[in-house]
Amino acid sequence: GDSVTQTEGLVTLTKGLPVMLNCTYQTTYSPFLFWYVQHLNEAPKLLLKSSTDNKRTEHQGFYATLHKSSSSFHLQKSSVQLSDSALYFCALLFSNTNKVVFGTGTRLQVLP
Amino acid sequence: EAAVTQSPRSKVAVTGGKVTLSCHQTNNHDYMYWYRQDTGHGLRLIHYSYVADSTEKGDIPDGYKASRPSQENFSLILELASLSQTAVYFCASSLGQNERLFFGHGTKLSVL
Repeated sequence: GDSVTQTEGLVTLTKGLPVMLNCTYQTTYSPFLFWYVQHLNEAPKLLLKSSTDNKRTEHQGFYATLHKSSSSFHLQKSSVQLSDSALYFCALLFSNTNKVVFGTGTRLQVLP
Repeated sequence: EAAVTQSPRSKVAVTGGKVTLSCHQTNNHDYMYWYRQDTGHGLRLIHYSYVADSTEKGDIPDGYKASRPSQENFSLILELASLSQTAVYFCASSLGQNERLFFGHGTKLSVL
């Protein structure tokens, strides 16, 4: 069935290093993917949403490209900062119902 | 910025008691959602709605009912609260059609 998968539970990096958080999906409809970020004791908020196939979308230094050929929408940043420490969720919108389901989330921990 | 207000912000309930969580949005969004988040984990969809007087089951509807009496209001009802329903509950709204979710601040529910 339709689903979204995040494989890493925790990613720990030193500031200044690049990061990639994985997101893959399965759907029988046109894919609409999102990345949400949740800081401690806050609500999730939108970071990025997918555009057309193979087109990169960027916000606040983060970027992602929807690749339908590999069913992926990985989140990347070239140089992480301490303030990027948070929980990151990939989400899939079911285009026939507008149901939105989330992956299990990846906690990014950035060390000084 | 879309506003989604949840009440109460926190609640302590007794096992077997009835709990009602309320959500109100002021932006004419058609779609509303209820998610639960267990400590440090992902968001799981309980119920959602795309129009007043109609609700749809999400991925984990058992033990929960939902009510959408108007476009602005969406309630989550636990008729017989159980220990396993201790979690943070988030309400969200959306225009649908590949638009972002706007989240409320969450309700922390503790069932004792």
